[in-house]
Amino acid sequence: DAKTTQPPSMDCAEGRAANLPCNHSTISGNEYVYWYRQIHSQGPQYIIHGLKNNETNEMASLIITEDRKSSTLILPHATLRDTAVYYCIVRVGGFSSGSARQLTFGSGTQLTVLP
Amino acid sequence: NAGVTQTPKFQVLKTGQSMTLQCAQDMNHEYMSWYRQDPGMGLRLIHYSVGAGITDQGEVPNGYNVSRSTTEDFPLRLLSAAPSQTSVYFCASSYNSGYEQYFGPGTRLTVT
Repeated sequence: DAKTTQPPSMDCAEGRAANLPCNHSTISGNEYVYWYRQIHSQGPQYIIHGLKNNETNEMASLIITEDRKSSTLILPHATLRDTAVYYCIVRVGGFSSGSARQLTFGSGTQLTVLP
Repeated sequence: NAGVTQTPKFQVLKTGQSMTLQCAQDMNHEYMSWYRQDPGMGLRLIHYSVGAGITDQGEVPNGYNVSRSTTEDFPLRLLSAAPSQTSVYFCASSYNSGYEQYFGPGTRLTVT
């Protein structure tokens, strides 16, 4: 599985867009980009995923570069409740019986939304 | 929907004791997993299930047992607790084999 690199921390003003980058320069053609976040002492929360097209849902947008070597998670109007550690994960889609696939979180980006 | 629920939230065990961590989901998801999270280690997969009656081992299965008799429930049993099992345990479920998983709030276990 491709390795990902994220900045250790970022700040964002409340109400502004938060843009969280992720580098995955060794990504393979069949690997998806997933984003999760973990608010302190809570379970991880799925945000969004994509293969090569940009994706948007009610939480965020995911922009993947044309060469797929990097991506950006965008929280359009950050609130204090978005303060969390954000994880970018690259994986071949899905797991099935017989293959011990797993979600492996790296160190992620600590996003702090400031009032 | 309650989503994924876990009980208990906190537990302290003595070395050698056994216990069961409960996990339930009401989303009719076929796939369920147990992870442990330790500082600096990220999430590690313990066991997972792709449907009722089907379970398989993850990365760190030793010392843990699971069973899946219903779609809703996926309990994790610690057979003989050891201090190395002190961790935060998360249960997760998903509707397909992708990595869009929904996590419970976690159980914080301390083994003394």
